[in-house]
Amino acid sequence: TQLLEQSPQFLSIQEGENLTVYCNSSSVFSSLQWYRQEPGEGPVLLVTVVTGGEVKKLKRLTFQFGDARKDSSLHITAAQPGDTGLYLCAGADEGQTGANNLFFGTGTRLTVIP
Amino acid sequence: GAGVSQSPRYKVAKRGQDVALRCDPISGHVSLFWYQQALGQGPEFLTYFQNEAQLDKSGLPSDRFFAERPEGSVSTLKIQRTQQEDSAVYLCASSFAGLAGVQFFGPGTRLTVL
Repeated sequence: TQLLEQSPQFLSIQEGENLTVYCNSSSVFSSLQWYRQEPGEGPVLLVTVVTGGEVKKLKRLTFQFGDARKDSSLHITAAQPGDTGLYLCAGADEGQTGANNLFFGTGTRLTVIP
Repeated sequence: GAGVSQSPRYKVAKRGQDVALRCDPISGHVSLFWYQQALGQGPEFLTYFQNEAQLDKSGLPSDRFFAERPEGSVSTLKIQRTQQEDSAVYLCASSFAGLAGVQFFGPGTRLTVL
């Protein structure tokens, strides 16, 4: 089992604050993805990082893939109430079938208070 | 359709009942995945289809769980003799072969076993 641990599990902050969510594993992944999930909906892909050390920016969100491709972080600048949701990291491992099986982290539930 | 759809959105079953959950993937998507998401957790892989072939069913928790995709499009996840521990959200995702790791998720079916 390829376990991905996220921290913190819960995070409640005021609007305008910055935050960082961490995703750590002992396994190496071919790529790592970050999703956001709203209540009653499926996860929606935010970004995919592939290369060790890669940094991607999506507006106020900055994603980084660790050099060893085992860990990742998500940094949100000036959080907005609309950022509230469950953030999931998922490591992709190309199995024997060639498909990219996703191994999801435990999730970070973010609440941004207006 | 524009996205992955699942039905029913909510299902309440008495312990011991059989249930069938349906997934309509995005048209043309070759790969289809089923995940189980327990309350407060990230999704866990159940099974994977490439067209009509079930290539990986390593995540199915018991022989009470059965999935099929007979014509390579719509898929059904069947759970026989449901138990309380089967209560969870069941997510379906599809992807287009060649877009490594990009899975598009449906809204899920929330199953509650009483």
